Amino acid sequence: QLQLQESGPGLVKPSETLSLTCTVSGGSISSSYYHWGWVRQPPGKGLEWIGSIHYSGSTYYNPSLKSRLTTSIDTSKNQFSLNLRSVTAADTAIYYCASAHSPLGVPWSAFDIWGQGTMVTVSS
Amino acid sequence: EIVMTQSPATLSVSPGERATLSCRASQSVSSNLAWYQQKPGQAPRLLIYGTSTRATGIPARFSGSGSGTEFTLTISSLQSEDFAVYYCQHYNNWSFGQGTKLEIK
Repeated sequence: QLQLQESGPGLVKPSETLSLTCTVSGGSISSSYYHWGWVRQPPGKGLEWIGSIHYSGSTYYNPSLKSRLTTSIDTSKNQFSLNLRSVTAADTAIYYCASAHSPLGVPWSAFDIWGQGTMVTVSS
Repeated sequence: EIVMTQSPATLSVSPGERATLSCRASQSVSSNLAWYQQKPGQAPRLLIYGTSTRATGIPARFSGSGSGTEFTLTISSLQSEDFAVYYCQHYNNWSFGQGTKLEIK
């Protein structure tokens, strides 16, 4: 059974970079049938897709975050990561990593497995 | 940009009754429409994908339908564990609706 776990600092200063890692267990991050995504949720608000990545290196980013966003995959550690630059208080949220499985290997799939989420606060 | 709009924002229904949640797209979209359930303090859980296919382990009382710009999640007979927030998502561009809170009447 695939499981995902987020990790990273819970507090980031304004203008700095928010960095999170998602560790995948119970399956290979190098599977061509999965894309790996990030979703965030500000306190008391709805869900916002951040971006998705495939082990091949293909990336898909939310246009509103694209200029500040980088995602990467480390197949040796079965992990994928998120870097969001120049953060402000508006980036305060619970950050979830999630997997999207497609028998066709296409990125346009629902997020079927989610991590538990990690709260990140942007504050000095 | 395709915008997903859910209605109502809050829906009050009694246990045992039927709940109907709506999701509207700003333009006609494919059938790549998903529904998620989120309970307080928990991550979202996938209920429905491909507009009408239940995810693994999801009870048959949950059903999805729709096409074009109008999509619906129906819960046929509400159980106590169904009261939660529900999100639709058009996963061709991964955009989520703003959510519907389903509360006990």
